[in-house]
Amino acid sequence: RKEVEQDPGPFNVPEGATVAFNCTYSNSASQSFFWYRQDCRKEPKLLMSVYSSGNEDGRFTAQLNRASQYISLLIRDSKLSDSATYLCVALSGGYQKVTFGTGTKLQVIP
Amino acid sequence: EAQVTQNPRYLITVTGKKLTVTCSQNMNHEYMSWYRQDPGLGLRQIYYSMNVEVTDKGDVPEGYKVSRKEKRNFPLILESPSPNQTSLYFCASTSLGTDTQYFGPGTRLTVL
Repeated sequence: RKEVEQDPGPFNVPEGATVAFNCTYSNSASQSFFWYRQDCRKEPKLLMSVYSSGNEDGRFTAQLNRASQYISLLIRDSKLSDSATYLCVALSGGYQKVTFGTGTKLQVIP
Repeated sequence: EAQVTQNPRYLITVTGKKLTVTCSQNMNHEYMSWYRQDPGLGLRQIYYSMNVEVTDKGDVPEGYKVSRKEKRNFPLILESPSPNQTSLYFCASTSLGTDTQYFGPGTRLTVL
């Protein structure tokens, strides 16, 4: 079983739709969680950090559920420019262990 | 401009021919790391460094070496490359205690 698991998708959604991604992690020692965005063949870039209290940035909301060991990303009012692969990341021991999920591909359709 | 640079960006080589991929950051970050990205496997950590002269293995260190003689540079060395090291490689850096890892543009390596 992978330490961080994501549904690979692709998720094909129309513009304006709301889409949610989930990510589960198996290492209970994981302390910090992030969502990164990766455009095709480009480097990953931090989208947002994930806190137990939730984190909202414009159309994006991230949540952490430590009891169930999953994190989520909600994108409201999807834009064409949101089309990308979204990577879930878990850290343990600070940056001593950085584990990426395989990513969920989102395609927003006109 | 704050950035992480990698060279070369693309490399085709043959089995057994030693190569080095350079990584440099201009943000005075303590932490640097190398990842490889393969279809269906995602990004996997190869080696990381918490500071100068401090390096440690990640999840897939076999066949790779690194060094951290200066804070800004973290080269990845393949002493004897093999075809299973064909991959997309990313270098990243961060300031410990912060959230953001900054990634380089990637190096696409093909080993024939």
